[in-house]
Amino acid sequence: DAGITQSPRHKVTETGTPVTLRCHQTENHRYMYWYRQDPGHGLRLIHYSYGVKDTDKGEVSDGYSVSRSKTEDFLLTLESATSSQTSVYFCAISSSGGGMNTQYFGPGTRLTVL
Amino acid sequence: GENVEQHPSTLSVQEGDSAVIKCTYSDSASNYFPWYKQELGKRPQLIIDIRSNVGEKKDQRIAVTLNKTAKHFSLHITETQPEDSAVYFCAASIGLGTVRGKLIFGQGTELSVKP
Repeated sequence: DAGITQSPRHKVTETGTPVTLRCHQTENHRYMYWYRQDPGHGLRLIHYSYGVKDTDKGEVSDGYSVSRSKTEDFLLTLESATSSQTSVYFCAISSSGGGMNTQYFGPGTRLTVL
Repeated sequence: GENVEQHPSTLSVQEGDSAVIKCTYSDSASNYFPWYKQELGKRPQLIIDIRSNVGEKKDQRIAVTLNKTAKHFSLHITETQPEDSAVYFCAASIGLGTVRGKLIFGQGTELSVKP
């Protein structure tokens, strides 16, 4: 597996609380992505980054924000968690962008919002 | 918006049979098509990919075919084994040639191989 870690791996939180998920890579890859995985929906892109401080929205970005202050770290924040954000969150990295190269996935974070 | 449709959503085969999963995509500029396998509780992992300058690619028991005219591509697994049981995802690139390019994933196919 590529050098990608996610923390925490599991989290249970209450509706309305802020939550931050962390993705850390040791591959020095420029491109990083956050996906959520829900039954019947496959992997849906939340936000992605094409460099330090360069981020953009994906197809399901409402209610989420991201930050990337260092190449190795990409943070996903739920400002005020809702039950609809209960999901498994995967981070991915790629050495090249444009959707043209392999994306390697982290181990995932299972988030439950009560 | 751009999308990728994947069929079937579930597939059950007997060990030794072949399995075929099909995907269609909407962006005619897409030219990179990876397939990922995800075992229960694990991360998706790339098993094979194809670029638009080739029509078919094989890796042992796995093959992928691409028809750019019809905008569809398929995964073929021959001589299936119980360890092939997993969820398989196709994906297609969009936003070709830009830093904002990304992958759009299909909804997934749950393959079950019965001994």
